[in-house]
Amino acid sequence: KAGVTQTPRYLIKTRGQQVTLSCSPISGHRSVSWYQQTPGQGLQFLFEYFSETQRNKGNFPGRFSGRQFSNSRSEMNVSTLELGDSALYLCASSWEGAPGTEAFFGQGTRLTVV
Amino acid sequence: LAKTTQPISMDSYEGQEVNITCSHNNIATNDYITWYQQFPSQGPRFIIQGYKTKVTNEVASLFIPADRKSSTLSLPRVSLSDTAVYYCLVGTKAAGNKLTFGGGTRVLVKP
Repeated sequence: KAGVTQTPRYLIKTRGQQVTLSCSPISGHRSVSWYQQTPGQGLQFLFEYFSETQRNKGNFPGRFSGRQFSNSRSEMNVSTLELGDSALYLCASSWEGAPGTEAFFGQGTRLTVV
Repeated sequence: LAKTTQPISMDSYEGQEVNITCSHNNIATNDYITWYQQFPSQGPRFIIQGYKTKVTNEVASLFIPADRKSSTLSLPRVSLSDTAVYYCLVGTKAAGNKLTFGGGTRVLVKP
C-alpha cells in the first residue's frame, strides 16, 4: 500500500510569509504527527492529530498550527515565517491498534526561508 | 516519555556486526522500545520494536535485559548502505503518536 505522502517536497519562502504543508497518511491510519528537524535541534515534535482533533502538542509558538480532515489528511501551517523556521518538516502516521510507538514517516518537506 | 542515552557515533566496516546500546533508566512498565533509522533528507524508518528479552526481524535484532534499563540494537553484517543515524525511543501508545527523539547514533560503515 502507498506510504505517507508529503507535498511539496521543497519550498522557498520569504520572511514574513506564511506556508501550508500537506500530509496524506497511510490508508487506515487515523493518527498524524508533525515534526521539525534542524541540524541544531534535531527532531522535535510539533503536534499530533487523531480523528480531526489535536491530541498532543509540542513546545512551538502559536505561529505553528495544523488541522486534520475527515479523510485523515493533515495540513500544517506556519505564519509570519522566520529564518529559523528553515527545516525539514516530517509527517508520520500510525495505526491506533498497534502497541508501542511504530510510526511511518513521509519523505518530508524541505522549507527554506530567505 | 523516558529519556534515552546513546553513543553519538560509531564506525564499522562492511560485513561486521554493529551493536548500538541505548540506556533508558526511567523506562516505565508500559513502555516499548523502538528503533528508527534515518538517512539524510529522509524521514525516519521503523526498524524494530520490543518489550522484553529478544526480538528479531529480517534486518535487525533487539536485545532487552530483564531490568529493561537498556537495550541493544544489533545489525548483522552491515553494508555501506547501512550508514545512517539510528534512534532509540521508548514510549507507549497511551502517549499517542508523539515520539521523542534523542540525538541518535551516527553509524558510518566503511569499505
